[in-house]
Amino acid sequence: QKEVEQNSGPLSVPEGAIASLNCTYSDRVSQSFFWYRQYSGKSPELIMSIYSNGDKEDGRFTAQLNKASQYVSLLIRDSQPSDSATYLCAVYSNSGYALNFGKGTSLLVTP
Amino acid sequence: EPEVTQTPSHQVTQMGQEVILRCVPISNHLYFYWYRQILGQKVEFLVSFYNNEISEKSEIFDDQFSVERPDGSNFTLKIRSTKLEDSAMYFCASSDPGQGQPSTDTQYFGPGTRLTVL
Repeated sequence: QKEVEQNSGPLSVPEGAIASLNCTYSDRVSQSFFWYRQYSGKSPELIMSIYSNGDKEDGRFTAQLNKASQYVSLLIRDSQPSDSATYLCAVYSNSGYALNFGKGTSLLVTP
Repeated sequence: EPEVTQTPSHQVTQMGQEVILRCVPISNHLYFYWYRQILGQKVEFLVSFYNNEISEKSEIFDDQFSVERPDGSNFTLKIRSTKLEDSAMYFCASSDPGQGQPSTDTQYFGPGTRLTVL
């Protein structure tokens, strides 16, 4: 079973600050990486996907991928209380059909 | 915006009973998935389905589980004889193999069915 590791948190940041969420993965050949947001009792909602080394920006969100170090991160700028949720890192399995999820990092943005 | 739908939102059943969870994937998607999330735990892959057959299944997806696409829109997960440990949130997802490679596709999740086995 290929592993996806995340700090469970909670990560607490004040409103307006930058939240930094990290994820490491064990399968060196992984190619596709996803960040999902999950509110309590709800389903995962896609935030961003990233496939190439470097940064990818979408609004207040920036995903960063470093395949050599096998980590992917998510930065949330100007954090809002509505960003308070669990953030899930997901990586495709070798077969390319299954998403392997980390346990998620709980983010709390305080007003 | 198209979305994955699931019914029912909550299913309560007695241990040993059969349950069928239903999903309507996004209409132009060709890959379908089931995941589960036990309370407080991570999202776990169960099965993927393409072209009317299972493309991959996890160790969790044993003989008690089956999937079916009975018509052009529905995708179902059947648990034949439920156990207490089957209590979880079950998510259906679908993806569009735009590049012909599922391993780059974004999977879109439905709202889930909370299954409670008593």
